[in-house]
Formats: sequence, C-alpha cells, structure tokens
Amino acid sequence: DAKTTQPNSMESNEEEPVHLPCNHSTISGTDYIHWYRQLPSQGPEYVIHGLTSNVNNRMASLAIAEDRKSSTLILHRATLRDAAVYYCILSRETSGSRLTFGEGTQLTVNP
Amino acid sequence: DVKVTQSSRYLVKRTGEKVFLECVQDMDHENMFWYRQDPGLGLRLIYFSYDVKMKEKGDIPEGYSVSREKKERFSLILESASTNQTSMYLCASSNRGLAYGYTFGSGTRLTVV
Repeated sequence: DAKTTQPNSMESNEEEPVHLPCNHSTISGTDYIHWYRQLPSQGPEYVIHGLTSNVNNRMASLAIAEDRKSSTLILHRATLRDAAVYYCILSRETSGSRLTFGEGTQLTVNP
Repeated sequence: DVKVTQSSRYLVKRTGEKVFLECVQDMDHENMFWYRQDPGLGLRLIYFSYDVKMKEKGDIPEGYSVSREKKERFSLILESASTNQTSMYLCASSNRGLAYGYTFGSGTRLTVV
C-alpha cells in the first residue's frame, strides 16, 4: 500500500484557517488522494478527494503539490466542531476500492 | 439523507457465542467494507465485498466471516466470539472505482465478556 505521513497532532484557534499537511512521496500516477475525518465516538466522514488539480467543496479545500508528492487539507475557518482526527489516504488500482487508514492527525481547536 | 445503518450501537456478548453484526446501505453501492478500530491500532480492514455473494479478505480476517446475499446488506459474523474481539466495528460502503468516497456507519461497540 502507498504510505502517507501526517503529523500526529496539530492545534488551531477557532475562526482561523487550518492547513493539515500530508506527504505521499510514493504516490503513482493513478492514485487518488482522499481525506476523511473522525469526530469522537463517530464513524469516519468523507471530506474531500482529488487526483491532480486542487479541489474545493463546502467542507474544505484540497491543495495538491505539482509533483503530487504532498497535499494539504485546508479548513478555511476552524470551528470547535472541526476538532477530529483527520486521515489522508491514497486509493490505488492495485488495491481496488479498499482504503488503508493510518494514524491520522488529531486536530485540536481552541476557543 | 443517504445512510449506512448498523443494527446495534452497543452490544455485549459472551465468549464462545456466535455474533452477527448487520449493516445496511440505501445508496445502491457496489462495495461494502467491515473495519474494526482499536486504540493505538487505528482502523483495520476485516473483509470487503465488491458485489452480491462476493467477498475478499482484508488485513485481519481471522476469526470472522461475512455474508452478502443482497446488495444493500453486508453481515459480519464472529463464529465464536473471544475477548480479543472486543472492539468498535465500522461498516462502510462506496461506489466502484477510485474516485468515490466511503460512507461509514456510526459503528457498533462490541464487548465480549
């Protein structure tokens, strides 16, 4: 499986932007980059995904480096509800549709 | 609102019992997955299914089996529950293909005593 590397934890203040980094230096040309988050006592929740271009949706933005070896999930204005574990995952053809979750980044949002 | 529904939020079973965890999705997704989540170990894939009556082993299939008789339903079976199967079990579904995200259920917290 293609591996991703994320910081164990990050902190942010409410109402400020948050940039969550992810390194995936072994990414191949057809791998998609997925982001999920998991709030306490809940199942993971899909956030966003992309292949090569930057992506925006109502929850977040995904910025993908030109060489695709890293990406950044951007929360434009953090709220207390955004405190969660954020997972960066690669999906690849050789794995079918299966996703392998790592440890993720624990985001703390301070009021 | 599209959903993945797991039949129980909390379950307590005795060692040696046969346990069924049920998962139903209403999105007509081809793929369905069972994960377990344990502190310090993250989410680990137990089994998955690409279609009705099809199943594939994940990373930790030992002690588990699955059944998918209908497209919307994916059952996880613990043939003889053991205390090391105490865990949070999460079901997910997705469309076929790399460009689709998963939808997860809320999870079943299983305790085997």
